[in-house]
Amino acid sequence: LAKTTQPISMDSYEGQEVNITCSHNNIATNDYITWYQQFPSQGPRFIIQGYKTKVTNEVASLFIPADRKSSTLSLPRVSLSDTAVYYCLVGPDYKLSFGAGTTVTVRA
Amino acid sequence: DGGITQSPKYLFRKEGQNVTLSCEQNLNHDAMYWYRQDPGQGLRLIYYSQIVNDFQKGDIAEGYSVSREKKESFPLTVTSAQKNPTAFYLCASSIGGSYSNQPQHFGDGTRLSIL
Repeated sequence: LAKTTQPISMDSYEGQEVNITCSHNNIATNDYITWYQQFPSQGPRFIIQGYKTKVTNEVASLFIPADRKSSTLSLPRVSLSDTAVYYCLVGPDYKLSFGAGTTVTVRA
Repeated sequence: DGGITQSPKYLFRKEGQNVTLSCEQNLNHDAMYWYRQDPGQGLRLIYYSQIVNDFQKGDIAEGYSVSREKKESFPLTVTSAQKNPTAFYLCASSIGGSYSNQPQHFGDGTRLSIL
């Protein structure tokens, strides 16, 4: 099971871009990289998933280098409502391990 | 509107009691999961089920039991053997089957407290 390492916390201001990098050195060939967002007292919400290169959707971008040993979640122009915990996960759905995640705090 | 429903939102248990948390999904997903979350920490997997009438222990199964008699339902029982049951419990589902990298969809959780 691939272990992930991500920063415990990050601070930002409204309108800035936030980049969260996750390390997963022993990612398996078949593993995808998935990011979730969680607000207090709610269940995590899927943000984005990728296998390699770059994936973009309406809320975020995910950058994955060729060696796939890390990935970077990019949140463009954050607002106060983006304050949350962000989890990076690697592996099949039945073996996902949610660590402590990265607490992103957006200030006015 | 498809999703996962967990009930109740808040639950209180007396010492020595068993209590069952409900989880229902109408997403037609094969796989379902139960997680526990303690304050300031990530989610830990209690049990998961990849198909009806089958389930496996996760990382912290002691003191918990589950059943999967129907595809849409995956109730979790917190038994009296669980010494520290106060936590936020989250249920999730995913397509499952051969689609093992599909995202999980989560309910809004049940917060269990000891009286």
